[in-house]
This record gives sequence, structure tokens and C-alpha cells, in this order.
Amino acid sequence: DIVMTQSPDSLAVSLGERATINCKSSQSVLYSSNNKNYLAWYQQKPGQPPKLLIYWASTRESGVPDRFSGSGSGTDFTLTISSLQAEDVAVYYCQQYYSTPSLFTFGPGTKVDIK
Amino acid sequence: QLQLQESGPGLVKPSETLSLTCTVSGGSISSSSYYWGWIRQPPGKELEWIGSIYYSGSNYYNPSLKSRVTMSVDTSKNHFSLKLSSVTAADTAVYYCARHRMIAVVITTFDHWGQGTLVTVSS
Repeated sequence: DIVMTQSPDSLAVSLGERATINCKSSQSVLYSSNNKNYLAWYQQKPGQPPKLLIYWASTRESGVPDRFSGSGSGTDFTLTISSLQAEDVAVYYCQQYYSTPSLFTFGPGTKVDIK
Repeated sequence: QLQLQESGPGLVKPSETLSLTCTVSGGSISSSSYYWGWIRQPPGKELEWIGSIYYSGSNYYNPSLKSRVTMSVDTSKNHFSLKLSSVTAADTAVYYCARHRMIAVVITTFDHWGQGTLVTVSS
């Protein structure tokens, strides 16, 4: 099974500053035949369900602000919030779908707060 | 717009079967572009995929839960259901239903979620 880890567990960033979250998979999620990384990012605000932000590691979902960006390949990925806003306080999860359709796994989450 | 709503008992006794239904509105469950999934989240813990089902009934389950999970779909009612048997306290969680997007033939991400329903396993 592909195990997802995230770092840090939590971080506090000043409003308008950059937040960087890392996600690592226990094996590569890069599918060689199409050169796509089977990796997504979600945002979960308190009391709400997760919301899809990014898929294919770097493609923003429709309606997601462009301050959110995803990067990385293979086993190491990053979600960056370029200028943190108050409404970005949430837990962020990565998810692999390389094991599709047998297994979809999430990372443990990273909590983002305002400093 | 698309909405998903979970329904079912909030309290289940140990060793019994947890049963939940997800009703889809604002879109058809018979779309060829989507599977329909269940994901759970124990209090304060991470998300765990339970399984996903297509409108035809084709399904995939998490291997760690497969022996206890049954999913079904009713296209006439535009809803799909989850049964989890022999529950224990470890099955206490918020259960979410979600639309599971297919891109080409690849099942990928969960792009619409219900609000979730807390199911507690306790006598």
C-alpha cells in the first residue's frame, strides 16, 4: 500500500505571508505512460467536509483561488499558499490515486493557523 | 448545483450493522463520468476511503474493510447506500459520501462531498 506522510503537522503563518505544506508518498505516484502524478490536495475547514483544491499534483480545481498552487513529482509534493488569507485557516490533506481503483489513501493532514 | 446528503442512524450498537444512504440532488447518479464513494473520518483523525460504486453496480472497496462492506445503488431514487457489518467502537466516525470523478477511465478525486454524518458505535 502507498502510505502518505505530511509535514509539518501544523504551522502558523502571518496574514499575507507564504505557507508551504509538504506531502511524501512511500512510492512514486508518477504514472510513466502519461507522465502524470496521481496526487490531489484538499482543504477542510472546521465543521465542513473536505474541498478539492488541486489534482494531477498541480492542476487547480475550477473556482480555487490562484494563491493556491501545487508542485512536485514522483514521491515529493508541495502545496503553497502564496499569500495567506484568514479564510485559509484549515487542515490540508494530500491524497494519492495512483492505486486506483483498488485503494485511495490520504495523508494525515497539516493544520494551518494565523500567527 | 450538485448536493449530496447522508442519512441514517447516528447510534449503532457493537456487533450490529451500520447502514447509511446518500441522496444525490442536482445531478444524475447515472452519469457515466463518476463513481460514488464513502469516506470516513474518526474524531480528530485522518480520512479513510471505504469504497466507491458506479451506477451499474460495479464497485471497489478498501481491502482493509472489504469483508464487512456492502455498497449498493438505486438509480430510480438517485441514491446509493453503505452497509458496514460487525461494527466496533473503532468504526465511530463522521461518514461522508462524495462524488468520485473519473477522468478518461481513471477514477481519481472526490470533487463534491456531503456534509457528513456522525455515527457512534456504543451500547
